Amino acid sequence: DTEVTQTPKHLVMGMTNKKSLKCEQHMGHRAMYWYKQKAKKPPELMFVYSYEKLSINESVPSRFSPECPNSSLLNLHLHALQPEDSALYLCASSPPYVGGIYNEQFFGPGTRLTVL
Amino acid sequence: AQTVTQSQPEMSVQEAETVTLSCTYDTSESDYYLFWYKQPPSRQMILVIRQEAYKQQNATENRFSVNFQKAAKSFSLKISDSQLGDAAMYFCAYRSANTGNQFYFGTGTSLTVIP
Repeated sequence: DTEVTQTPKHLVMGMTNKKSLKCEQHMGHRAMYWYKQKAKKPPELMFVYSYEKLSINESVPSRFSPECPNSSLLNLHLHALQPEDSALYLCASSPPYVGGIYNEQFFGPGTRLTVL
Repeated sequence: AQTVTQSQPEMSVQEAETVTLSCTYDTSESDYYLFWYKQPPSRQMILVIRQEAYKQQNATENRFSVNFQKAAKSFSLKISDSQLGDAAMYFCAYRSANTGNQFYFGTGTSLTVIP
């Protein structure tokens, strides 16, 4: 199974709502990522988890709160978002940087988020 | 942080022709990985091809091949016999083999295939 799944596919929320994005992989990858992507732009790294511990936080506002409950799951909790947070949110996974034949990232299809 | 540069924001190619997308990168490391990713409109980002820096031989995957010039820090993607389904954003990416899990992406090239 070489798949990263993300739910929901689309999400519309108001600025006062609380919602969560979910990501799952069963490839045994121990690095998992959240990216934000605007149209025709590269993914912007938000968070990296390595062995279920947060290893990189790219100065993301606290209204985004990541969580890694286990080695297969990654959540992104959203609260009090702004309209400029509207974007495609991508989850990815990869083998850790030491070892492994396949060192690339596998991406999920993304969640299209609209903040009203 | 490593820098990855894609100097062609947009490219176009006639169907069945060949096109080359450019990518350069800046690093002081000797061991790393390079990737080309493809993202069709409203579709998932997928890996096109990967290159390990320690390998001198250029990677190929069917109609896709790279020209990896380590000394010049250049990693271009050649698409042969272009097809309509090749139309997409193409991102070049770098990953250190030693210093962590972070991937560095170029700004992308939007490829149009003309029928």
